Amino acid sequence: SSELTQDPAVSVALGQTVRITCQGDSLRSYYASWYQQKPGQAPVLVIYAKNSRPSGIPDRFSGSSSGNTASLTITGAQAEDEADYYCNSRDTSGNHVVFGGGTKLTVL
Amino acid sequence: QVQLQQWGAGLLKPSETLSLTCAVYGASFSGYYWSWIRQPPGKGLEWIGEINHSGSTKYNPSLKSRVTISVDTSKNQFSLKLSSVTAADTAVYYCARGEDYGAIIGRYYFDYWGQGTLVTASS
Repeated sequence: SSELTQDPAVSVALGQTVRITCQGDSLRSYYASWYQQKPGQAPVLVIYAKNSRPSGIPDRFSGSSSGNTASLTITGAQAEDEADYYCNSRDTSGNHVVFGGGTKLTVL
Repeated sequence: QVQLQQWGAGLLKPSETLSLTCAVYGASFSGYYWSWIRQPPGKGLEWIGEINHSGSTKYNPSLKSRVTISVDTSKNQFSLKLSSVTAADTAVYYCARGEDYGAIIGRYYFDYWGQGTLVTASS
């Protein structure tokens, strides 16, 4: 399969922990990367290579992987974390790139 | 500091060819994959295709028949052409730099993105 599946929407109370998941066969061969996108802005990389954070990304963002499932965890969610989150990787052939459908995170 | 700056026509008529260019500042073309990605209004991200520094391309199978991505390493630019556009091609188009490495488990990610260009196909 060349698809990545995400829950369409997730909510979390302010200051609590939330996990966003991404499933797909390609995740057995590639670590997922994760992007945060706020309205009207380009996506921003928040996690890559399983659990690495680019410079400037808060350490409340972390990643993990098991089998065909990757997870993005936000520990102590802040109001500014409300956004759409996308996962991505190469597909099972290694020749193309796939994105998950995105998860809309609401911080209550 | 790496920056991607993109430009191109924002309004097209159906059947016309979409043309966008992305200039790369602060980075070499070698060792990376340079992609185009689009996002229809209110929808998710869709990968269109990529090119490397030597001009080798890979395209999304659903768009392959209409897409051409090219590179001009002398100008540090790469370009997208999408022919025969319809209303379904209306989207924000992004250019992005991709990294792909890893032996047993691969790592692939887009670390730098252009600002995005809204392209509307309408009669």
